[in-house]
Amino acid sequence: DAGVTQSPTHLIKTRGQHVTLRCSPISGHKSVSWYQQVLGQGPQFIFQYYEKEERGRGNFPDRFSARQFPNYSSELNVNALLLGDSALYLCASSPGSGQGIPGANVLTFGAGSRLTVL
Amino acid sequence: GENVEQHPSTLSVQEGDSAVIKCTYSDSASNYFPWYKQELGKRPQLIIDIRSNVGEKKDQRIAVTLNKTAKHFSLHITETQPEDSAVYFCAARAYFGNEKLTFGTGTRLTIIP
Repeated sequence: DAGVTQSPTHLIKTRGQHVTLRCSPISGHKSVSWYQQVLGQGPQFIFQYYEKEERGRGNFPDRFSARQFPNYSSELNVNALLLGDSALYLCASSPGSGQGIPGANVLTFGAGSRLTVL
Repeated sequence: GENVEQHPSTLSVQEGDSAVIKCTYSDSASNYFPWYKQELGKRPQLIIDIRSNVGEKKDQRIAVTLNKTAKHFSLHITETQPEDSAVYFCAARAYFGNEKLTFGTGTRLTIIP
């Protein structure tokens, strides 16, 4: 069974451009979360989607948006890229829902997409 | 919002000795505390987690303790091995069903052979 897969693994953009990052969750997982990890820091929460609905949003500008598809895969979009957007973007999936089920909200991370903005 | 502080930022330990990493959190509603290990260039991997209704949890050489009153939790690694060298992140989550994790700033653990 494949883990969380992300694409692309590396990409280079210039300021002002747009980027789309993609994530496929573990089979059977319905929740996808996105995190930004700047070099030397812990991951910062961007979004969580469950059953195609946004369940949480972190402290990021409106240039960041995301969506989840019927097959539970997800896209993260960033417009008008800034130098400060350079980071490792991590996707994590979980079974979701919770409701007292052990492990239902345990996050499994993908390897990330490393974005460099020049 | 939640704030998680982690100490130390770097830690060097002789192989075979124990390592302890400490975290504090600010939101008393936090009820889930995972620890992730991230090797260079790799994904964060969950190594152990603890929920607020438990004070301690062990898994072989790894243990986590939680003090809800003081709002701090710690990772203990015993009999350290070279493969334990990595960056370790603590995290906290405030509300059941909301999967937002607030991470600490990480501890770079180096095991000296």
